Amino acid sequence: EAQVTQNPRYLITVTGKKLTVTCSQNMNHEYMSWYRQDPGLGLRQIYYSMNVEVTDKGDVPEGYKVSRKEKRNFPLILESPSPNQTSLYFCASSPGGPDIQYFGAGTRLSVL
Amino acid sequence: ELKVEQNPLFLSMQEGKNYTIYCNYSTTSDRLYWYRQDPGKSLESLFVLLSNGAVKQEGRLMASLDTKARLSTLHITAAVHDLSATYFCAGRNYGGSQGNLIFGKGTKLSVKP
Repeated sequence: EAQVTQNPRYLITVTGKKLTVTCSQNMNHEYMSWYRQDPGLGLRQIYYSMNVEVTDKGDVPEGYKVSRKEKRNFPLILESPSPNQTSLYFCASSPGGPDIQYFGAGTRLSVL
Repeated sequence: ELKVEQNPLFLSMQEGKNYTIYCNYSTTSDRLYWYRQDPGKSLESLFVLLSNGAVKQEGRLMASLDTKARLSTLHITAAVHDLSATYFCAGRNYGGSQGNLIFGKGTKLSVKP
């Protein structure tokens, strides 16, 4: 089944403790992207990748890192999480460019 | 820098009625996207509008794009309860890299019997 898989789905952590949210797609898509969703602010793009080894900043990249070493995986790394990174995160992929995107189920992160 | 504004932000409709959601954007965007999010769920891509005058339809939803007016609309025909969701539009940030998307804040649609 074609899908975008995010893990974990829920995470509670403390300020400063490094964490990684994984994202994997099995559709051989070139484009992958991370978004965060906050009440009243809608969706904002964090980072995206047009292809392997090519990543670029979205609107809110501060405090996040990504890597795209292989086509299927696009992990989101929070080196030193802070409470303002408490949010709902979505990973998405599409065949080429941000056109018809397929979204993961989401990761709800709470940073205490 | 592209800005995307949707209105209304909240919309309560009766079943069977028609309505339109508006998506205005501030600068050139070479394509416009619409997404749907059911309550408590992830997002689903609905439409990609590539050029001026583009119209896409699926079921009771029809999206159009007017690049001169910097306006996209999502028209709902004869609403049914199943269409209750939040709808987002997004533009591609033309001055930036091709992968950068800017979203509107979303329109929460509630269709009542």
